[in-house]
Amino acid sequence: AQKVTQAQTEISVVEKEDVTLDCVYETRDTTYYLFWYKQPPSGELVFLIRRNSFDEQNEISGRYSWNFQKSTSSFNFTITASQVVDSAVYFCALSEAYSGGGADGLTFGKGTHLIIQP
Amino acid sequence: DGGITQSPKYLFRKEGQNVTLSCEQNLNHDAMYWYRQDPGQGLRLIYYSQIVNDFQKGDIAEGYSVSREKKESFPLTVTSAQKNPTAFYLCASSRGRLSGANVLTFGAGSRLTVL
Repeated sequence: AQKVTQAQTEISVVEKEDVTLDCVYETRDTTYYLFWYKQPPSGELVFLIRRNSFDEQNEISGRYSWNFQKSTSSFNFTITASQVVDSAVYFCALSEAYSGGGADGLTFGKGTHLIIQP
Repeated sequence: DGGITQSPKYLFRKEGQNVTLSCEQNLNHDAMYWYRQDPGQGLRLIYYSQIVNDFQKGDIAEGYSVSREKKESFPLTVTSAQKNPTAFYLCASSRGRLSGANVLTFGAGSRLTVL
């Protein structure tokens, strides 16, 4: 069975600090996809990134970066020089190829509430 | 702009009443989903539909029902059989199985409170 664990329930940092959100996953499939979503106070989930299991290259997008390590089944998310607007709940999610690559829905972690204090 | 519209945004219901949450998308997506979000619980899948007139139970389907009569619409009914219906409900859509890895697009959610 697939499972996503986000052990950090809540993180609070001061603006401009770097912060890393952890995500550990379990899957029996060799082909799978990992996602990060952001949920601001408005409630709508916003897609941030998707990676497939064959691509372990780290990715950087502005102040955001992602570290995918199959050896530890982790897909961690780092925000550099955090800003107040980064305050949100962040979800890591997983889908397996046998379930249509997410067409049957994604399995989400419980989320990490990130608070950036000014 | 393409997107997903959920209504109502807030809904109050008395115990024993059924209530229907609306979800409409204009993204021409084949697949649609309903998730429930509770504090500290993440998102849990209620129902999903890959195609019109077909839908499948998710992890927590008991006490809920859906229909998919049109590609654009996937309403969710929270029935009186749902023991603890107070929650935040999110609708999503994606291109479906044929597209490979599916990125889900979400609506803004509906918050249901049972009085």
